[in-house]
Amino acid sequence: EAQVTQNPRYLITVTGKKLTVTCSQNMNHEYMSWYRQDPGLGLRQIYYSMNVEVTDKGDVPEGYKVSRKEKRNFPLILESPSPNQTSLYFCASSFWTGGSYEQYFGPGTRLTVT
Amino acid sequence: AQSVTQPDIHITVSEGASLELRCNYSYGATPYLFWYVQSPGQGLQLLLKYFSGDTLVQGIKGFEAEFKRSQSSFNLRKPSVHWSDAAEYFCAVAGNTDKLIFGTGTRLQVFP
Repeated sequence: EAQVTQNPRYLITVTGKKLTVTCSQNMNHEYMSWYRQDPGLGLRQIYYSMNVEVTDKGDVPEGYKVSRKEKRNFPLILESPSPNQTSLYFCASSFWTGGSYEQYFGPGTRLTVT
Repeated sequence: AQSVTQPDIHITVSEGASLELRCNYSYGATPYLFWYVQSPGQGLQLLLKYFSGDTLVQGIKGFEAEFKRSQSSFNLRKPSVHWSDAAEYFCAVAGNTDKLIFGTGTRLQVFP
């Protein structure tokens, strides 16, 4: 089954304590991205990766890091989380083929930073 | 720059009534357009998408959307709403990259 998995699904942490949210896809997609969802703001892209070792900033990259050492994995790293990073995070992978486009989202990670 | 506007933050309808959720986009070329639904506490589910061809697109759960280039709109419709349709709905646009630009969402409430 094609899927994007994220872990953990829920996380409560304290300000400044480094954390990593993992993301993995089993579809061999080249493009992966991270979004955050906040009330009244919809989803905004944090970072994206077009392939292994190729990453770039999205619209709201401040306070986040990513890496893409393997095609299937795209972890999101918060080196020093702050309360304003409390949000719902979605990982996604996608591909274009023959004029069609598919994007698969993970189930989401709800992060609370106190 | 690409952008998506969903002018209605919150819509309330009675069960069985018809529904139309508005979406306007800004994009210089032919856009790729999507509607997603998010039930409370859940992830995103793709309802339908438009790439080209027939401007009336059929999706899952009885939803449809119509692409109107002249109005830069991609409104979502359903002829008869069910209580289980209560959720948040997001319109999104993709251009020539894999990045999706989302609207701010419309929360649908359904009264029995």
